[in-house]
Amino acid sequence: NAGVTQTPKFQVLKTGQSMTLQCAQDMNHEYMSWYRQDPGMGLRLIHYSVGAGITDQGEVPNGYNVSRSTTEDFPLRLLSAAPSQTSVYFCASSAAGGGGPNYGYTFGSGTRLTVV
Amino acid sequence: GNSVTQMEGPVTLSEEAFLTINCTYTATGYPSLFWYVQYPGEGLQLLLKATKADDKGSNKGFEATYRKETTSFHLEKGSVQVSDSAVYFCALRRKGGSEKLVFGKGMKLTVNP
Repeated sequence: NAGVTQTPKFQVLKTGQSMTLQCAQDMNHEYMSWYRQDPGMGLRLIHYSVGAGITDQGEVPNGYNVSRSTTEDFPLRLLSAAPSQTSVYFCASSAAGGGGPNYGYTFGSGTRLTVV
Repeated sequence: GNSVTQMEGPVTLSEEAFLTINCTYTATGYPSLFWYVQYPGEGLQLLLKATKADDKGSNKGFEATYRKETTSFHLEKGSVQVSDSAVYFCALRRKGGSEKLVFGKGMKLTVNP
């Protein structure tokens, strides 16, 4: 099925460990984003990309890196995990705007990360 | 900058009650507006959208009208069901440029039988 695939679904890390959250989409979408969801905070943008080779910081980028070497993939790297990064992470993708029905973002099912 | 302010709740309603979730926005230009829904344990799903002033988005009995004069996009449903229990997010997306999606903080709705 077409959509956004995130792996893993659950992860427990120790403080200081590094890991990569994977995100892949098969809809040939130009735009991809990473959000974190915390209670009472809604969804906050971590990093986003408007196409392969182009990334930029969102609202809460510290402690995270991204790269976009292909249109399909947009991995999120935690460099040195901290308890403050305990959250649910969502990847989303969208076609570019400019008219038509392609304004919505499609979300993955999320990765629940706990840092102990 | 661009921002979205919405009712945060949590809200508990009885089945068949009327639902309104207020949402107002601040944005340069004329953004597209969205309501997303998150059912327990799941990701976000697009519920409805409106891309220009006076547009009405509708889906699953929910409606919202893009009001430029009041910069609002309130979500309404005439008769809620237990299956509508979820978290609802209002969001905007500027057209052109990075087209990032900006969310409100979300509102948790519980509908009791």
